[in-house]
Amino acid sequence: AIQMTQSPSSLSASVGDRVTITCRASQGIRNDLGWYQQKPGKAPKLLIYAASRLQSGVPSRFSGSGSGTDFTLTISSLQPEDFATYYCLQDYSYPLTFGGGTRVEIK
Amino acid sequence: QVQLQESGPGLVKPSETLSLTCSVSGGSISNYYWCWIRQPPGKGLEWIGYVYYRGTTNYNPSLQSRVTMSVDTSKNQFSLMLSSVTAADTAVYYCARRRTGPEAFDYWGQGTLVTVS
Repeated sequence: AIQMTQSPSSLSASVGDRVTITCRASQGIRNDLGWYQQKPGKAPKLLIYAASRLQSGVPSRFSGSGSGTDFTLTISSLQPEDFATYYCLQDYSYPLTFGGGTRVEIK
Repeated sequence: QVQLQESGPGLVKPSETLSLTCSVSGGSISNYYWCWIRQPPGKGLEWIGYVYYRGTTNYNPSLQSRVTMSVDTSKNQFSLMLSSVTAADTAVYYCARRRTGPEAFDYWGQGTLVTVS
């Protein structure tokens, strides 16, 4: 199975900060990667698919980049509603595998 | 708007079989892959497997010997069975729709906590 390594596992940031989360695959996965946001007690929500494509309805402050093994999720200006846990997911091969998550907390 | 809703017992005894159903409303179950994903309390997400609307399945090898998924297109539902459960199977179980071209989980159920005890 492809292993997805996310970093950092947690971070503290202030409203308005630029935040970057990375995900590294144990082997090349083209651009078959998605990013999901999860708030406490809620289901994950799709933010980005195919590494860089913004899901309909998701604010443009979220962006994704990368291909092959290294990927990045960027929040250009952190908003109060963005404090959550973020997961990457590789869609390249089965079994599908998630990264370990990055918890974004208020500084 | 597509909606997914998990249903089933919230408490299962060790060695018994966990059984959940996901009901899909607001859209057809046809032409999609339907997945189960779980999350132990305080931990990350694990993909369990999928059932295609035509009935083909693909399971996570870590659970393959204990998992069975099925679909009922007439009821717009799909189901998960996990046998021989232990405390390690305690988790929130989510059902989700997996679209293709390109792939993504675009709709999720709210999740249901299943405790093995």
